[in-house]
Amino acid sequence: GQNIDQPTEMTATEGAIVQINCTYQTSGFNGLFWYQQHAGEAPTFLSYNVLDGLEEKGRFSSFLSRSKGYSYLLLKELQMKDSASYLCAVRGGSYIPTFGRGTSLIVHP
Amino acid sequence: EAQVTQNPRYLITVTGKKLTVTCSQNMNHEYMSWYRQDPGLGLRQIYYSMNVEVTDKGDVPEGYKVSRKEKRNFPLILESPSPNQTSLYFCASSSTGGNEQFFGPGTRLTVL
Repeated sequence: GQNIDQPTEMTATEGAIVQINCTYQTSGFNGLFWYQQHAGEAPTFLSYNVLDGLEEKGRFSSFLSRSKGYSYLLLKELQMKDSASYLCAVRGGSYIPTFGRGTSLIVHP
Repeated sequence: EAQVTQNPRYLITVTGKKLTVTCSQNMNHEYMSWYRQDPGLGLRQIYYSMNVEVTDKGDVPEGYKVSRKEKRNFPLILESPSPNQTSLYFCASSSTGGNEQFFGPGTRLTVL
């Protein structure tokens, strides 16, 4: 089975940087994903990590440490539109990933 | 346009009345899956399929059935819906070797 843990809610200020952490325990590991989900909408893919290290994609970066069962999503230069839920998901033995409960990020002016 | 479609988008029904939520993708993806999303519980996997005629249970399969007779379609069947199946349902697809799951727009189901 898999256990994925991430904070329930975070708040940050427009223009700032925020780091959303995700810890996981899994039998087998075939990648970690981050998705963004705005209220009432479908999740959309942000990033994928399978090797240790940092993957940067514009304002968003994702980090993975397999030995620690740890990942974070870093959002820079926060904008109001970044207010959303951020879902951490882990692909273990099954090809289909399992999702954490998500972190609701509130960006205020 | 590459997409995953679900129908209906909204449904209010009564306990015990069989229903089907359709899911279709036009990207020739092998993998398809169904999730339900509930407040405080996140996305939970119901069933998934790795190809035509190959389906497997996810974390919360009780009360649901699926079929995969064609590659593009993966319907979710509730034979006898109950109020605890009131939820937001998402279908998703991905390709072999691909890492991104593409999600449908969601179906909001209410069972009275």
